[in-house]
Amino acid sequence: GESVGLHLPTLSVQEGDNSIINCAYSNSASDYFIWYKQESGKGPQFIIDIRSNMDKRQGQRVTVLLNKTVKHLSLQIAATQPGDSAVYFCAERLSSYGKLTFGQGTILTVHP
Amino acid sequence: NAGVTQTPKFQVLKTGQSMTLQCAQDMNHNSMYWYRQDPGMGLRLIYYSASEGTTDKGEVPNGYNVSRLNKREFSLRLESAAPSQTSVYFCANDDRASMNTEAFFGQGTRLTVV
Repeated sequence: GESVGLHLPTLSVQEGDNSIINCAYSNSASDYFIWYKQESGKGPQFIIDIRSNMDKRQGQRVTVLLNKTVKHLSLQIAATQPGDSAVYFCAERLSSYGKLTFGQGTILTVHP
Repeated sequence: NAGVTQTPKFQVLKTGQSMTLQCAQDMNHNSMYWYRQDPGMGLRLIYYSASEGTTDKGEVPNGYNVSRLNKREFSLRLESAAPSQTSVYFCANDDRASMNTEAFFGQGTRLTVV
């Protein structure tokens, strides 16, 4: 029979715009939160992480914000480029365990 | 993705057949993982191994077995494949001991069960 999967949230932006991708996490005990980028046909690649004792961390063109009160994580990409087009996943990790638990993902499409 | 090698890259199985997906890493990391990714969905953890000689179930372990053969290799076995196991399988590893959260993924194995 035909399988029906969830439809990932999508975000379409113009090249040069800033992008904000959101994620709700489930475990209030998680100590690390990580963003991954997955291009078509490839495995996920690490972008940036943040620990639970922080609320903001900046990388190159990316910023991650953490709001533990509402268990919300966001990834901001500045000056979005066509090469940023991919699926973005948030993941959480307990400090006492090595395993990563992934969120649903968001499809980002950047139009030239 | 340098450092993580998955074989095979593609596989078609008939219902009831068995096969083993291989994963090897040369990064000297302790922790290794097997995930499956279904169309339009995120990655779901099947099994993981925190260190050589240990394995633990993840979210969706039913229908799978794993072996942590040594520090480098972590294999995933399907004893009797079912169409519901059609998916893309990713192996990953990280170095928990360093508190570095970055996990490194292989390119994936695309499995179709007919």
